[in-house]
Amino acid sequence: DVKVTQSSRYLVKRTGEKVFLECVQDMDHENMFWYRQDPGLGLRLIYFSYDVKMKEKGDIPEGYSVSREKKERFSLILESASTNQTSMYLCASSQGTGGRYSNQPQHFGDGTRLSIL
Amino acid sequence: GENVEQHPSTLSVQEGDSAVIKCTYSDSASNYFPWYKQELGKRPQLIIDIRSNVGEKKDQRIAVTLNKTAKHFSLHITETQPEDSAVYFCAAKTGANNLFFGTGTRLTVIP
Repeated sequence: DVKVTQSSRYLVKRTGEKVFLECVQDMDHENMFWYRQDPGLGLRLIYFSYDVKMKEKGDIPEGYSVSREKKERFSLILESASTNQTSMYLCASSQGTGGRYSNQPQHFGDGTRLSIL
Repeated sequence: GENVEQHPSTLSVQEGDSAVIKCTYSDSASNYFPWYKQELGKRPQLIIDIRSNVGEKKDQRIAVTLNKTAKHFSLHITETQPEDSAVYFCAAKTGANNLFFGTGTRLTVIP
């Protein structure tokens, strides 16, 4: 069974802080993704990575960056947290060497509910 | 880019009845359509997916139909049970693009 683990379920930070959200998967998946989930908006892709040290912008990358130094770990970074980044953040991974062409199912973590005060 | 619309946003059914959730997509090149179920406080979980080379797929009480001409696909749940209560998300993907999600349907099954 695929296991995607996010480091925190709940996180409270202050405006202007640099925030790190960590995600680890144990299935040797090539592709990893960061989404944010907001009521009425569904899931929106922030960034994704289809290989170590590779990253691509999703639909809403502004204010975020990512890091993938190892295949199993994908980090989301809020450079200077703002209140409009209060949200649920979901990490996902999928198999497939096709990179962005891969149509393999995405497996999600439990999410991190981030509050920026 | 792709645009996925999902309806209804909320749906209540009596236990044992069927539930249908519909999604439309804009990009005719989309070729992969997964459905996710998210129970309260839990992760989204894939429940069924369909690729554009088939028109229908079934897994026990769950089925998905795809109409490529009309660019819409639907989730059908038969003999609903209280444990089917959750938020359901559809999604669509073209070959080179990201997975685009609908805004979700909150299904409530009334015992």
